[in-house]
Amino acid sequence: DTVMTQSPATLSVSPGDRVTLSCRASQGVSSNLAWYQQKPGQAPRLLIYDVSTGATGIPARFSASGSGTEFTLSISSLQSEDFAVYYCQQYKNWPRTFGQGTKVEIK
Amino acid sequence: QVQLQEAGPGLVKPSETLSLTCAVSGYSISSGYYWGWIRQPPGKGLEWIGSIYHSGSTYYNPSLKSRGTISVDTSKNHFSLTLRFVIAADTAVYYCARHTSVVVGPFEHWGQGTLVTVSS
Repeated sequence: DTVMTQSPATLSVSPGDRVTLSCRASQGVSSNLAWYQQKPGQAPRLLIYDVSTGATGIPARFSASGSGTEFTLSISSLQSEDFAVYYCQQYKNWPRTFGQGTKVEIK
Repeated sequence: QVQLQEAGPGLVKPSETLSLTCAVSGYSISSGYYWGWIRQPPGKGLEWIGSIYHSGSTYYNPSLKSRGTISVDTSKNHFSLTLRFVIAADTAVYYCARHTSVVVGPFEHWGQGTLVTVSS
């Protein structure tokens, strides 16, 4: 399986901060990488697909980049509604796999 | 707007069969896209279970060890998950979702999820 490793596990930040989350794949996933946001008690929401393409309705403060095995998700100015868990997912190799998540919490 | 809703028993006994259905509204399954199941044990991460096309073509996560079957009923506009010989580790919130246009790609639309507990 393609293991997706996210870092850090937890990020303590203040509103207005810029944050960068990392995701590393154990083998190449080309550009087949997505990011999701999940809030407590809710289903995940697709933020980014194909490494850097924003899903419908996603604010411009979310951006992402990377290739091959190294990927990042950035939030330019953290809003209160952005405190959540973020997951990366690869859809290049079988089985499809997710990272373990990065929790963005209020400092 | 596409909406998905999971339904099924919240409690299943060990060694028995878990059966869930995902009702789709706002879109006809027959029109396309792959449809999938994902689960999330309490306090843990996400695991892709498997996905199906309206034709019946399926992909599964080998971690299920052939215990899982996904089927589709286009006349009822729903698809289903059956997981046999369940164990405590199958306790999770189960989500159904629709992929983007990429074959078994990202999950664009999600149901709200349903908690299934495996316990005697």
